[in-house]
Amino acid sequence: AQKITQTQPGMFVQEKEAVTLDCTYDTSDPSYGLFWYKQPSSGEMIFLIYQGSYDQQNATEGRYSLNFQKARKSANLVISASQLGDSAMYFCAMRDYSNTGNQFYFGTGTSLTVIP
Amino acid sequence: GAGVSQSPRYKVAKRGQDVALRCDPISGHVSLFWYQQALGQGPEFLTYFQNEAQLDKSGLPSDRFFAERPEGSVSTLKIQRTQQEDSAVYLCASSLAQAGVSGIQYFGAGTRLSVL
Repeated sequence: AQKITQTQPGMFVQEKEAVTLDCTYDTSDPSYGLFWYKQPSSGEMIFLIYQGSYDQQNATEGRYSLNFQKARKSANLVISASQLGDSAMYFCAMRDYSNTGNQFYFGTGTSLTVIP
Repeated sequence: GAGVSQSPRYKVAKRGQDVALRCDPISGHVSLFWYQQALGQGPEFLTYFQNEAQLDKSGLPSDRFFAERPEGSVSTLKIQRTQQEDSAVYLCASSLAQAGVSGIQYFGAGTRLSVL
């Protein structure tokens, strides 16, 4: 079974609008971490935001927020006030102790295009 | 340097050739990871080092893949007798944390390997 599922291969958003990128995860461990990374065309994976499974509040980092719904096993990324520079691939990732706890499991990514 | 540095950025190899990919992690980071990212996919875990110890190599696809980190800093991923299916971007990441689900991984820009 897929550990991380991103069902939106591509998304478009108007500049200055908000956009939600979907992510669902699968784990039976009570302790896990959820991450979002941005990968522009240059290739580098840029860390955006982290949510721990025991965190009571949704994580926020500037224009990024994570809509964490534990019962539904979803961790959607919300980008507010989109900018042209937000156009990139976005990956959701999870780390748990189901294997050795050493690796991230990544989704297949969502390509976001911001339209001027 | 301030970030994770990988070299070369691009490598073209003839089938059967050996290649070596270098990763220079963030100074002081204990953990180092290698990932393989096929075109249009998310990164997939290859191997993990804690200092100089290779604690997990469960993701290495075959015995042609070998990684080392002899002094606990720079790491090299070596692929022997390259095959066309080895063509991918190889990403290196480092993390300050030794273990735990909350350790943020910081990635380099990757090495794009093309095997002809």
